[in-house]
Amino acid sequence: IAGITQAPTSQILAAGRRMTLRCTQDMRHNAMYWYRQDLGLGLRLIHYSNTAGTTGKGEVPDGYSVSRANTDDFPLTLASAVPSQTSVYFCASSEGTSGGADTQYFGPGTRLTVL
Amino acid sequence: GQNIDQPTEMTATEGAIVQINCTYQTSGFNGLFWYQQHAGEAPTFLSYNVLDGLEEKGRFSSFLSRSKGYSYLLLKELQMKDSASYLCVFMDSNYQLIWGAGTKLIIKP
Repeated sequence: IAGITQAPTSQILAAGRRMTLRCTQDMRHNAMYWYRQDLGLGLRLIHYSNTAGTTGKGEVPDGYSVSRANTDDFPLTLASAVPSQTSVYFCASSEGTSGGADTQYFGPGTRLTVL
Repeated sequence: GQNIDQPTEMTATEGAIVQINCTYQTSGFNGLFWYQQHAGEAPTFLSYNVLDGLEEKGRFSSFLSRSKGYSYLLLKELQMKDSASYLCVFMDSNYQLIWGAGTKLIIKP
């Protein structure tokens, strides 16, 4: 059982380039999330999806887009990368139960550097 | 606004007990989580409190006081592998998670 996987593990990208971070889960979870983690700050939600076919904006959505064509996959795209998008990106999933302890499970992260 | 405060860093000795405090300010509350994150790894779930009181799970316990906007994570019989960051997270009225910056716990022999 893989759980939740992300690719690539790390990437160095030139500013202005387009980049898609991949995320796949095999737990049949309804909800999926993209976070970025920067030194000294808490995890910040970029986009989320409560169920396949729907997406929503989180705290810091600008410069990022997502799609949720099926239950398993939730790619994050940077249309034109900028240096401020240098960060560690975590994908997470949860069962998506309304209320209660909807525990989130995290992928291993993608370390992205934009030069 | 919504805010979480927890110490940036703490140091403790192997075999001892440490308490990591967390205070939060929010207009709506639907529970509080603690996650553990080892350096270079993903966060992993430790505990969830929605009612006041203490929840015990092995060497780890988590406490919540909703009236005081306060929680703590208690780690007993510390082991070197407990060296990690501990993230305090609350769920707001929209069921969104608000993450603290984390407390880096350093365990010394």
